[in-house]
This record gives sequence, C-alpha cells and structure tokens, in this order.
Amino acid sequence: GDSVTQMEGPVTLSEEAFLTINCTYTATGYPSLFWYVQYPGEGLQLLLKATKADDKGSNKGFEATYRKETTSFHLEKGSVQVSDSAVYFCALSDQWNNNDMRFGAGTRLTVKP
Amino acid sequence: NAGVTQTPKFRVLKTGQSMTLLCAQDMNHEYMYWYRQDPGMGLRLIHYSVGEGTTAKGEVPDGYNVSRLKKQNFLLGLESAAPSQTSVYFCASSSEADIYYEQYFGPGTRLTVT
Repeated sequence: GDSVTQMEGPVTLSEEAFLTINCTYTATGYPSLFWYVQYPGEGLQLLLKATKADDKGSNKGFEATYRKETTSFHLEKGSVQVSDSAVYFCALSDQWNNNDMRFGAGTRLTVKP
Repeated sequence: NAGVTQTPKFRVLKTGQSMTLLCAQDMNHEYMYWYRQDPGMGLRLIHYSVGEGTTAKGEVPDGYNVSRLKKQNFLLGLESAAPSQTSVYFCASSSEADIYYEQYFGPGTRLTVT
C-alpha cells in the first residue's frame, strides 16, 4: 500500500541555519504530496502541497519539490527561525483514494537562538 | 468561524469504560476523519465519513465506532477502553469541492487509559 517515510528526528538547528527534512513515498497511483506542521499543543496545519511531478510547493519560506523520478518531496528552508520549532509531517493522498491520506512519522524540529 | 473543534481536550479512563469524542466543523465539509497519533508512528486513520449518514473503516478501526448523524458532527466511540487506546486523537474535515482534499484539523483530544 501507499506509504511515506521521512527522516527521523529530532533535528536541532541554530537560528538562520539551513533546513532539510527528507521525505520519500511509495504509491501505486498519482499522489498529491503535502507537508503539514504541528505547533505545540495544536492540531496539524497545512504548510504546503504539490499535486503533480515537478510542482514546487512553497509557503512561509519553506519549499518542497515533487520529484517523481526519486519519489521524494524534501522540505527545505534557507534560514530557520525559533518560531519554526514544531513537528513536521510529510503526507500523501492518492487521487484514486483521496479519503486515505498517509502520513510519515513526523520530524521534530527545534531551533535555538 | 471556529473551523474544527473537538470535545473534550483531555480525558482519563479506566480499562473497560466507554466514552464518546465529539468533533464539529462549521465549514460545511462533506468529508470527516478520525486519526490517532502515537509517538514515532505519525497519524493513522481510524474511520472516516464521506457524508451525513455514512461511515467507513480506515487503517486501524478495531475497538472504535463512529457515527455521522449530522453533517457538521462526527462522533468517535470507545465501547470498552483498553490501555492500547491511549493516544492523541485528531479529527479532520475536507471539502468535496477541493480536488486535492486538503484536510483541516482540530486541536486534538489526549486520552489516557489506565
């Protein structure tokens, strides 16, 4: 079945450092790919998405490119802030089964001043 | 516009007790979902609903029941709680009109079963 694998955390960075969180997927169809963010004590919020190969999703300085050839959707940010500290989830939704969104295990990011 | 709300926020149960978690959304979304979140495992889908009066099983449905009597509400029931059901439960909703089915999440319910 469809699945998502993302790099294990936790990840600790200093403010203004470069961030990469790796995400790879397995899907039989043509999935849409998502990054969700969960701030402490809150539910998940959509951070960005990409719906077809080579699409780039971007929001709040974060970017991820849908790479079909490597089945990847890595999250990047050029300069992280303390306020980016959260848990990040990669997820996919197959267009033939949109009611079954599969999530990765989550990566906890801590940014220190 | 409150989005997705969940009641209660926290609950402690003894093994064998029952309870119902309530999810409400005010976005007129057709689809609603219940997930559980466990450390190192991400979110796993318990049950979902594609419309009022309909429910379907997700990845981990055993030990749970759901009902969708009104479009805006989706209830998750535990008939006989077990320690393995200690988790954080999230409700989500999405619109049929959004072809990419972005899901909107509630703040979660932390359940402990002793």
